[in-house]
Amino acid sequence: GAGVSQTPSNKVTEKGKYVELRCDPISGHTALYWYRQSLGQGPEFLIYFQGTGAADDSGLPNDRFFAVRPEGSVSTLKIQRTERGDSAVYLCASSSGGRDGYTFGSGTRLTVV
Amino acid sequence: GQSLEQPSEVTAVEGAIVQINCTYQTSGFYGLSWYQQHDGGAPTFLSYNALDGLEETGRFSSFLSRSDSYGYLLLQELQMKDSASYFCAVNSPGRRALTFGSGTRLQVQP
Repeated sequence: GAGVSQTPSNKVTEKGKYVELRCDPISGHTALYWYRQSLGQGPEFLIYFQGTGAADDSGLPNDRFFAVRPEGSVSTLKIQRTERGDSAVYLCASSSGGRDGYTFGSGTRLTVV
Repeated sequence: GQSLEQPSEVTAVEGAIVQINCTYQTSGFYGLSWYQQHDGGAPTFLSYNALDGLEETGRFSSFLSRSDSYGYLLLQELQMKDSASYFCAVNSPGRRALTFGSGTRLQVQP
């Protein structure tokens, strides 16, 4: 596609529930990144994929968070047993690895009530 | 680990020039990037510096000094639409994905 697409744009869920957030990167971009951003803060790194594999998952805060990219394109971020502290905007970005930087999606605003 | 420092807020008037500074600490270094984010919007890429010196792109320029672990973003001929948050970010051999600073909120006043 022309840009990075994230769905849903908004998600409200109850504490303890499971959620999935989807990211559709720019076609041909091999690198895909997940970040989360709280109000007034910079994006916080979660996980980076190169192709199908997670090249760096050191930013995942705990084992409730998991992400996959099975075919090297679309990625899903999965959060189990959500907590109120998980409320944030979850941003996905992709890049071709050159000097043109990351292209971010518009994010999914997750609210855990 | 990596850490970045930038001012939390800057205010300037339309037509003026503003400089947003960024200092960083990192083990190894590939480059310094700058992103712009309007309220409610996605971060958008502005510039990338891997080597010392100034890179100019229209009204925006970015500078890097590797020896000082310091860079800045220079915005000239400020317009109201430049009101946004600006983030510096670094990547390194130890962390290839970008690590972002906490951002500088720029308010452009008439």
